[in-house]
Amino acid sequence: AQTVTQSQPEMSVQEAETVTLSCTYDTSESDYYLFWYKQPPSRQMILVIRQEAYKQQNATENRFSVNFQKAAKSFSLKISDSQLGDAAMYFCAYRRVSGGGADGLTFGKGTHLIIQP
Amino acid sequence: DSGVTQTPKHLITATGQRVTLRCSPRSGDLSVYWYQQSLDQGLQFLIQYYNGEERAKGNILERFSAQQFPDLHSELNLSSLELGDSALYFCASSPGLAGADTQYFGPGTRLTVL
Repeated sequence: AQTVTQSQPEMSVQEAETVTLSCTYDTSESDYYLFWYKQPPSRQMILVIRQEAYKQQNATENRFSVNFQKAAKSFSLKISDSQLGDAAMYFCAYRRVSGGGADGLTFGKGTHLIIQP
Repeated sequence: DSGVTQTPKHLITATGQRVTLRCSPRSGDLSVYWYQQSLDQGLQFLIQYYNGEERAKGNILERFSAQQFPDLHSELNLSSLELGDSALYFCASSPGLAGADTQYFGPGTRLTVL
């Protein structure tokens, strides 16, 4: 079974600074996708960024970027120019893709990100 | 607003009871997923339906069941409820089965079992 590990239960960063959230995963599959989801206090799950395992180029979405190291099974999220609105729980997620299509998401335990003004 | 709706928002019930949670996916989405978020277990995938058919199972208990109807809405049935079933239950939808498909999450149903 696939597992996703987020080793940082909580991180704190000053507003406008850069922070990196760590994620490692374990899988024997060759085809999969990785995601970062954000869950603010409203509890709504919001997709932040997505990475296809077959792509070597790291995904970027505005201030959010990933460092995808496939051999090391590592998938970290970098948030640049942190803003107060970035404060939330961040979940790393894995999605297996088989011949019949993709399954549900396997989530890590989450990292609580605090933004200090 | 993701376009996924879930009812009810909150549900309070007693141990041993049965409840039904309802989900309406985004317009045009054929895949529906159910997730459970609890303090003990974190976020867990329960089950996936695609166009009315069960597609994949995660950590779903035998006391739980789900179905997707012809109009594509889905229901999650939880029976013989225990205190440990208290959690936030999310429904998500996506256009199809592609790995790149974004799963859009609903606001969740907060279940409290007393």
